[in-house]
Amino acid sequence: EPEVTQTPSHQVTQMGQEVILRCVPISNHLYFYWYRQILGQKVEFLVSFYNNEISEKSEIFDDQFSVERPDGSNFTLKIRSTKLEDSAMYFCASRASVGLSAGETQYFGPGTRLLVL
Amino acid sequence: AQTVTQSQPEMSVQEAETVTLSCTYDTSESDYYLFWYKQPPSRQMILVIRQEAYKQQNATENRFSVNFQKAAKSFSLKISDSQLGDAAMYFCAYEETSGSRLTFGEGTQLTVNP
Repeated sequence: EPEVTQTPSHQVTQMGQEVILRCVPISNHLYFYWYRQILGQKVEFLVSFYNNEISEKSEIFDDQFSVERPDGSNFTLKIRSTKLEDSAMYFCASRASVGLSAGETQYFGPGTRLLVL
Repeated sequence: AQTVTQSQPEMSVQEAETVTLSCTYDTSESDYYLFWYKQPPSRQMILVIRQEAYKQQNATENRFSVNFQKAAKSFSLKISDSQLGDAAMYFCAYEETSGSRLTFGEGTQLTVNP
């Protein structure tokens, strides 16, 4: 069964450093998402991406964050200058299409645990 | 903004018994989607079940079923014949329009006792 993959599974970085989290969505999917979950809290939406541009972003997704689909398979989240409060699990999700059709939903990757020291 | 509320931080059930997890949401929309996701200790997010608001029939997936009460804005998850592998955090989620962001509740930690 196709699945969303994410690398790395864990990343430790120093405050102020740049990190890039990578995701490979399911191959025929067109819509891509990033969410984060601070330990013990609920999952929060960061950004959605379609047709090579951001379609929606939350107030969390400030200028320190960026997303890119550099090739036909990868979808990346970059944090330019990490802060302690960026420590969280980051989930990538993808979906095939949108519309009133059964079976369309967001499928999540296993997540990347980011720890900022 | 839409909100999703799960009022039960923790629930427990005996193996083979039935448990119901509650979820309420707030929206002014008439068409939307609701989901239950399971998050085991690995923290992977696994889709359990989905419900389209325009469908009156409650969704079912094997031992998992929902009670969708649109007027009450309630979306509860029933797990029948609970198994040890059902132990996890369960999140209720709302999607306003197909393709938009998912808004999650706070989660309910389910413990299954042998």
